Amino acid sequence: QLQLQESGPGLVKPSETLSLTCTVSGGSISSSSYYWGWIRQPPGKGLEWIGSIYYSGSTYYNPSLKSRVTISVDTSKNQFSLKLSSVTAADTAVYYCARHTPYRNWFDPWGQGTLVTVSS
Amino acid sequence: DIQMTQSPSSLSASVGDRVTITCQASQDISNYLNWYQQKPGKAPKLLIYDASNLETGVPSRFSGSGSGTDFTFTISSLQPEDIATYYCQQYDNLPLQLTFGGGTKVEIK
Repeated sequence: QLQLQESGPGLVKPSETLSLTCTVSGGSISSSSYYWGWIRQPPGKGLEWIGSIYYSGSTYYNPSLKSRVTISVDTSKNQFSLKLSSVTAADTAVYYCARHTPYRNWFDPWGQGTLVTVSS
Repeated sequence: DIQMTQSPSSLSASVGDRVTITCQASQDISNYLNWYQQKPGKAPKLLIYDASNLETGVPSRFSGSGSGTDFTFTISSLQPEDIATYYCQQYDNLPLQLTFGGGTKVEIK
């Protein structure tokens, strides 16, 4: 059974770079044609897709965040990562990683999520 | 960019009631519309994919319909365990873009 787990600092200072990793277990991140995505949810608010990376390394980002986002994949560690630069308090959110499939773009499964707070 | 307008933002209904949530896309998205259930402190759970297909293991009281710009999600008989926030999500394949609706919080009256 495929499982995803987010990890990274829970507190980031304003103007710095948020860095998170999603570790995939129960399957290989590079063995099949999947997208690996990041979604976030500010406290008490709705869901926002941040971006996704194809198993081959192609990336796709939400236009509203594109200038600050980098998603990468490390197949040797079966992980993919998110970097969000120049963070502000508005980037405080629970960050989820999830898998989706080309032309069947629904997210399943999801990681449990990790709260990142931006504060000095 | 495609915008998704979900309504209502919240609703209160009695156990056994029929509950309906709508999602409207700013342009034609065919049937590329999914529905999720999110309970407090948990990750969203996929319920319906491609507008009307029930995910394996999801109770049949949940259903979805629609195509083009207007979509509906229905709980035929609300149960206490259905208390959650529900989200629609559209996708565009080329280029890849995914957008969520604003969510509907469902409570028991």
